[in-house]
Amino acid sequence: GESVGLHLPTLSVQEGDNSIINCAYSNSASDYFIWYKQESGKGPQFIIDIRSNMDKRQGQRVTVLLNKTVKHLSLQIAATQPGDSAVYFCAESPPGNQFYFGTGTSLTVIP
Amino acid sequence: EPEVTQTPSHQVTQMGQEVILRCVPISNHLYFYWYRQILGQKVEFLVSFYNNEISEKSEIFDDQFSVERPDGSNFTLKIRSTKLEDSAMYFCASSEAGSSPLHFGNGTRLTVT
Repeated sequence: GESVGLHLPTLSVQEGDNSIINCAYSNSASDYFIWYKQESGKGPQFIIDIRSNMDKRQGQRVTVLLNKTVKHLSLQIAATQPGDSAVYFCAESPPGNQFYFGTGTSLTVIP
Repeated sequence: EPEVTQTPSHQVTQMGQEVILRCVPISNHLYFYWYRQILGQKVEFLVSFYNNEISEKSEIFDDQFSVERPDGSNFTLKIRSTKLEDSAMYFCASSEAGSSPLHFGNGTRLTVT
């Protein structure tokens, strides 16, 4: 199967600070990427996506950066809030309709 | 906002028994998926389903597993002869198109004893 990995399994940030969560993906043919947030007892929730023809995409308080050269994806969360505490997964999709998920980074926001 | 619903939220079964996990995808979505997540591990792809047939499946999805869309709204995962290692959260997801965001349900926690 594919290998999607995360550099840091846990991340703690102060409320109000910016958070950066990183992800390395393995398949250079992957052309679509999604960041998901998973809160305890719930399914993954879509945050933001990016296709391989872009290197940056912004949403509300979130930005995804894609570096295809080194197969790296990051999620930046601005002004992190306690409600942002969750596990964050990146997922890559090669051509087709399969997604491969990383192991997740647990983000803890310290009030 | 439309959502994917899964039932039951928790299923306990004895080893060797068969279970059926149920999902109602978002109504205008065309692609359906099952994923599983063993406690503390990553979300693993099992199978995708489109146009009333399996479009892709992983190595995990062997003859023990089957999927069905018995009517216009339900999408089911059947696990035959359950094993202890089948214990996991099983997530159903749906998407509008093949390369578009997956929308997940809140999962069914399967415990095999």
